[in-house]
Amino acid sequence: DQQVKQNSPSLSVQEGRISILNCDYTNSMFDYFLWYKKYPAEGPTFLISISSIKDKNEDGRFTVFLNKSAKHLSLHIVPSQPGDSAVYFCAASRFGTGNQFYFGTGTSLTVIP
Amino acid sequence: KAGVTQTPRYLIKTRGQQVTLSCSPISGHRSVSWYQQTPGQGLQFLFEYFSETQRNKGNFPGRFSGRQFSNSRSEMNVSTLELGDSALYLCASSSLTSEQFFGPGTRLTVL
Repeated sequence: DQQVKQNSPSLSVQEGRISILNCDYTNSMFDYFLWYKKYPAEGPTFLISISSIKDKNEDGRFTVFLNKSAKHLSLHIVPSQPGDSAVYFCAASRFGTGNQFYFGTGTSLTVIP
Repeated sequence: KAGVTQTPRYLIKTRGQQVTLSCSPISGHRSVSWYQQTPGQGLQFLFEYFSETQRNKGNFPGRFSGRQFSNSRSEMNVSTLELGDSALYLCASSSLTSEQFFGPGTRLTVL
């Protein structure tokens, strides 16, 4: 049972434009969400997180939006750069449950120069 | 600071065999988690160890087991391998105040 879903396996964006990656979750108990980026032959690296008390968190070119009522979060990358080309995973957990995270299946982003 | 290391990086086994994977966390990190990554399922949580105790366990059969040593290094064991166990196995470590840092993974192929 996939509790975190990324319905777009791939996304292509022109360099300089906005990339929007989407993620949906089914468990309303989740209250902490993260995005990871993964390059081939490497482990995922942490990108940005958001807790359920906020609806937006920014870090440079990366912004995560959380819509709790829709159980939906999105990652915006502005402007997109070729080095952003990677697989992006969203993950969710509940505070107080240690590091038991539920991951989506990933979205492969290609930024075209 | 050295990152999370996993050994071996690649492994080929046959059905019915068992395998042990190793993970060395970042120095000072006491939590180690294991994930299985397959193309259709993304990353699936296997278990988490903290201070040598299993703190969380995912929905995997008992063939999958792990342990953590006093130096926080962790091992994962899979017994009676099946073809479906072919995957990338990722280990991640964290401290009480940090996010998880992942290793490069061990690619297991079961023939």
